[in-house]
Amino acid sequence: EVQLLESGGGLVQPGGSLRLSCAASGFTFSSYGMFWVRQAPGKGLEWVSALSGSGGSTFYADSVKDRFSISRDNSKNTLYLQMNNLRAEDTAVYYCTKAGPYYSDHWGQGTLVTVSS
Amino acid sequence: EIVMTQSPATLSVSPGERATLSCRASQSVSSNLAWYQQKPGQAPRLLIYGASTRATATPARFSGSGSGTEFTLTISSLQSEDFAVYYCQQYSNWPRTFGQGTKVDIK
Repeated sequence: EVQLLESGGGLVQPGGSLRLSCAASGFTFSSYGMFWVRQAPGKGLEWVSALSGSGGSTFYADSVKDRFSISRDNSKNTLYLQMNNLRAEDTAVYYCTKAGPYYSDHWGQGTLVTVSS
Repeated sequence: EIVMTQSPATLSVSPGERATLSCRASQSVSSNLAWYQQKPGQAPRLLIYGASTRATATPARFSGSGSGTEFTLTISSLQSEDFAVYYCQQYSNWPRTFGQGTKVDIK
């Protein structure tokens, strides 16, 4: 059974940084691309970033480009999202999803990031 | 960036009735279209991919159709567990983009 468990969310001040982690199990992690998708409180889904299985290709939404960085450690079956220069509008639940292979076929339960002073 | 527009924003349907949800892309995405269902307090789950292929565990009452720029998700006979928010997503181009969602609620 595919399982994705996000962690690392919390309260951070504007301009601060946070690193999210996603521990994956139940599939061959290195063989699949991964995505981050977020959802602001009471709002819809926003695709954030993607990373290929090898880690060699990355993609970002314009709203987070140059501030967020996606990475993975295939030896630890873990996906990361480094978020810098955080803004109030980055407040959201962040979901880690498995690529299946081009859409999100499995989702974690999410981790809440709140950017506020 | 491809803009995905869903309509209506809210659809009020009685249990047992048919529901038809629409999704339009600002440019052709071929059949690279997925539908997701999200219930309150839960993560979304994949329903349909390739515009019309049901994901594992998606009941047969859910069907998807369309290609290019116009897509439809149909729920043939609404069950109580189907009242939720539905999102379409294109995966033809980067960045991937979602529609704003259609909430299906009880009439």
